[in-house]
Amino acid sequence: RKEVEQDPGPFNVPEGATVAFNCTYSNSASQSFFWYRQDCRKEPKLLMSVYSSGNEDGRFTAQLNRASQYISLLIRDSKLSDSATYLCVVGNNNDMRFGAGTRLTVKP
Amino acid sequence: SQTIHQWPATLVQPVGSPLSLECTVEGTSNPNLYWYRQAAGRGLQLLFYSVGIGQISSEVPQNLSASRPQDRQFILSSKKLLLSDSGFYLCASPGGSRGYTFGSGTRLTVV
Repeated sequence: RKEVEQDPGPFNVPEGATVAFNCTYSNSASQSFFWYRQDCRKEPKLLMSVYSSGNEDGRFTAQLNRASQYISLLIRDSKLSDSATYLCVVGNNNDMRFGAGTRLTVKP
Repeated sequence: SQTIHQWPATLVQPVGSPLSLECTVEGTSNPNLYWYRQAAGRGLQLLFYSVGIGQISSEVPQNLSASRPQDRQFILSSKKLLLSDSGFYLCASPGGSRGYTFGSGTRLTVV
């Protein structure tokens, strides 16, 4: 089993749609969780951290389910500019593991 | 905050040629530095990490090596490139609650 697993997609959604991604992890001792966004041929950039109580940043909501060992990312009112690959990152301190990413394409 | 510089941005090298990619860290720095590789359409694979000068750990056996000659410098090398070494190479440093900071990457194509 991979340490961090994501559905690779692609997810093709119309503008304005709500889309959700899940990411499962195998190390139950993991304490740090993040979602990154990666545009084509660019480096990953931090989208948001994921906190135990869940957190929201504008149209983006992240949640953590420790019991089932997964994190989720919800994007509301999708924009064309949301098209990218979304990577989940799980780990502890300086030992972080990356999912392979979920590709999202938002279409007009 | 910290900035990670990587160069070159793009590189095309023949099979069997040597490689040297450099990563330097500017600003507040965590002592740990990482080299990742991302193959086309794939996730990030951790290649090497370093916790300090001269200290290198390898995650996977491969045709590559790494060195940390200075605190803020991390170098990825190969004596003879293989076709399978093609990919997007990223240098990263932990940023605590802000996750990892990445350099802009080097896209290597071995031909």
